[in-house]
Amino acid sequence: KQEVTQIPAALSVPEGENLVLNCSFTDSAIYNLQWFRQDPGKGLTSLLLIQSSQREQTSGRLNASLDKSSGRSTLYIAASQPGDSATYLCAVRAPLRVRFGAGTRLTVKP
Amino acid sequence: EAGVAQSPRYKIIEKRQSVAFWCNPISGHATLYWYQQILGQGPKLLIQFQNNGVVDDSQLPKDRFSAERLKGVDSTLKIQPAKLEDSAVYLCASSLGVLGQSHQPQHFGDGTRLSIL
Repeated sequence: KQEVTQIPAALSVPEGENLVLNCSFTDSAIYNLQWFRQDPGKGLTSLLLIQSSQREQTSGRLNASLDKSSGRSTLYIAASQPGDSATYLCAVRAPLRVRFGAGTRLTVKP
Repeated sequence: EAGVAQSPRYKIIEKRQSVAFWCNPISGHATLYWYQQILGQGPKLLIQFQNNGVVDDSQLPKDRFSAERLKGVDSTLKIQPAKLEDSAVYLCASSLGVLGQSHQPQHFGDGTRLSIL
């Protein structure tokens, strides 16, 4: 069974801190990995998508990396803000499969 | 561009009743996904369509769940009969790419929250 695991399950940090969220996967042949944020009662908003041939993607204060050989991806958030509080999910797309992790619930305290 | 539209936003039914959800993907998106998200968990893919054909339905409980995308555009997901464990948010997503075009991201609707009494 192909698994996607996110650690930690929850994280609370003071405003301004840099932080790292982790995603690990067991699929050996992936198309891409996508990071999403989900606000309560809402659908998922795409943050970054990394193709299997890429090592990282950046958007503003967000940077995502991908290491296929170790089955890991990280989402780095710089200078966190209270508005970053949400659940962050990673999704792995492999041939004929899409699998999500359970997410990391992030709270950024003012 | 208009996003993925889903309806209804909320639905409350009793167990053993039937329910249907509707999804209209972003115009031109060939691939459509239905997910089930139980509280506290990540979304679980139920079925993936490419145009009007099924790509993956390995996690769809076929004894009670069915989905169709007859004209390759909008889609319906049905549960008949519903069980208590079906209480969840049902999310629809679409992407521009077809198989082999791996660089296209998924775009999600706001989901339908289903409560089974």
